[in-house]
Amino acid sequence: AQSVAQPEDQVNVAEGNPLTVKCTYSVSGNPYLFWYVQYPNRGLQFLLKYITGDNLVKGSYGFEAEFNKSQTSFHLKKPSALVSDSALYFCAVRDFQGGKLIFGQGTELSVKP
Amino acid sequence: ETGVTQTPRHLVMGMTNKKSLKCEQHLGHNAMYWYKQSAKKPLELMFVYSLEERVENNSVPSRFSPECPNSSHLFLHLHTLQPEDSALYLCASSQEWAPGLAGNNEQFFGPGTRLTVL
Repeated sequence: AQSVAQPEDQVNVAEGNPLTVKCTYSVSGNPYLFWYVQYPNRGLQFLLKYITGDNLVKGSYGFEAEFNKSQTSFHLKKPSALVSDSALYFCAVRDFQGGKLIFGQGTELSVKP
Repeated sequence: ETGVTQTPRHLVMGMTNKKSLKCEQHLGHNAMYWYKQSAKKPLELMFVYSLEERVENNSVPSRFSPECPNSSHLFLHLHTLQPEDSALYLCASSQEWAPGLAGNNEQFFGPGTRLTVL
């Protein structure tokens, strides 16, 4: 069965420091991986995706994610965090057979000045 | 703006009321989705419509009734809800509902309807 795990409910980072939000997945075939961000009182916004190709994927707002097949991970990263990055981040996976996305439970990122 | 709108943004209803949530997408997409988002839980997929036909129904209680009159509009009709149904209900759309195909199938989400059942 497909699943996604975000092991941290909350991540706290100081502004200007690098940030990492972790995600691991389990699928039976090739994974298609996504990151979404949700700001307060808003819907989810697409950040980036991995379908195939380079393991390092660049997305919106300076975010990037690294696909690691051996560790079945797809961690979200940013070299220098901003206070405005504070939000709820969701990792999602879709396998080749199914059309639907399976979401993790979300990680709340808090960036302090 | 993502091109997906939802109304109302907030709704308070009693357990005996009937209400409807509306979603509209302006992206020319063929697939639309309803999700339930509760605190500290993963998003729960409720229904999927592709070209106005329901293709997924994830064991959702019958007190939730979806309707998709055309590819741009999606409704969720609510009847005799329970307090545990209080949540944020999100609508999304994507270019296609495409099992077995890769590609640009990211979903675009509306802002959600915050539902409170008293």
